[in-house]
Amino acid sequence: GDSVTQMEGPVTLSEEAFLTINCTYTATGYPSLFWYVQYPGEGLQLLLKATKADDKGSNKGFEATYRKETTSFHLEKGSVQVSDSAVYFCALSWGGTSYGKLTFGQGTILTVHP
Amino acid sequence: NAGVTQTPKFQVLKTGQSMTLQCAQDMNHNSMYWYRQDPGMGLRLIYYSASEGTTDKGEVPNGYNVSRLNKREFSLRLESAAPSQTSVYFCASSGLSEQYFGPGTRLTVT
Repeated sequence: GDSVTQMEGPVTLSEEAFLTINCTYTATGYPSLFWYVQYPGEGLQLLLKATKADDKGSNKGFEATYRKETTSFHLEKGSVQVSDSAVYFCALSWGGTSYGKLTFGQGTILTVHP
Repeated sequence: NAGVTQTPKFQVLKTGQSMTLQCAQDMNHNSMYWYRQDPGMGLRLIYYSASEGTTDKGEVPNGYNVSRLNKREFSLRLESAAPSQTSVYFCASSGLSEQYFGPGTRLTVT
């Protein structure tokens, strides 16, 4: 079946550092890919998405590119802030939008220090 | 516009007790979902409802039942709680753009 694997965490960075969180998937075909963010004590929020190969999703300074050759969707940000501290989840679904059932990675905890 | 709401926020149960987690959405979405979140495992789908009147099993349905009461409400029932069901439970709903999540219910079974 489908699966999503994220880099081992947690990740601790200083403010203004460069962020990369790796995400790879296993699926038959080309699913839609998503990054969700969970701030402390809250539910998940969609951060960005890409629905086909070579698409780049972006939001709030975060970016991720759908790479079918490497089955990857790595999350990047050029300069992180303390307010970016959260748990980040990579996920996939079928259907072109996020209305389908989501398969999640295990999550990566990001802590940003001043 | 409250989005997705869940009750209760916290609950402690003894093994063998039953309870129902409530979820409601005010976005007129057709699809609703129940996930559980466990440390190091991300979120796993328990049950989902693609439309009013239909429900289907997800990845981890054992020990749970659901009811899609109407288009707004989707409840999750634990008939006989077990310690393995200690988790954070999230309800979500989706239309055609994105999936929206509730704030979660933290359940502890002792």
